[in-house]
Amino acid sequence: NAGVTQTPKFQVLKTGQSMTLQCAQDMNHEYMSWYRQDPGMGLRLIHYSVGAGITDQGEVPNGYNVSRSTTEDFPLRLLSAAPSQTSVYFCASSYSTGLHNEQFFGPGTRLTVL
Amino acid sequence: EDQVTQSPEALRLQEGESSSLNCSYTVSGLRGLFWYRQDPGKGPEFLFTLYSAGEEKEKERLKATLTKKESFLHITAPKPEDSATYLCAVLQGWGKLQFGAGTQVVVTP
Repeated sequence: NAGVTQTPKFQVLKTGQSMTLQCAQDMNHEYMSWYRQDPGMGLRLIHYSVGAGITDQGEVPNGYNVSRSTTEDFPLRLLSAAPSQTSVYFCASSYSTGLHNEQFFGPGTRLTVL
Repeated sequence: EDQVTQSPEALRLQEGESSSLNCSYTVSGLRGLFWYRQDPGKGPEFLFTLYSAGEEKEKERLKATLTKKESFLHITAPKPEDSATYLCAVLQGWGKLQFGAGTQVVVTP
């Protein structure tokens, strides 16, 4: 198993550009989520999905869109990038949303918005 | 509002010098507390889950404990390879994790 994969690893955008961060998992996990990590603030939840076709907002959803058309993929879209979205983005997945739900994280995408 | 606070922010240890990291939380009805390890440039790696006060779990030189208000991660006789940032998180509804800011641990030979 490849686990959770993310592409690209690094990206530089100009203000106003759009892009999609890709996330895929091959563990047949129902639950997937996106976090951003900023210095001194820990990881903050952006959006999450409890299954194909079902998504919901996390703590910091503004400026981001998600969709979940398959169990394997959970892309994160930045519609109009802003410097405040400069961060490291992590995708995570787990078997379920229940108590025994160890979450597996991808290697991250480091995004810089100029 | 749920809060997760980790202390200290950074910890520098000599090899073999045991110490503890703290994670205090204020949540209504704890469903689970997670500890992760994060190496530079990588995603968090799962270490432990604790569910109820009094519970303890061990893995090599690491031992996690849980009370009603806080969790401790004890590092016994650390080695340089234990250098990492240690994150704690509390489980909210629908699998959502709320993370603390982390404790950066550096172990020198």
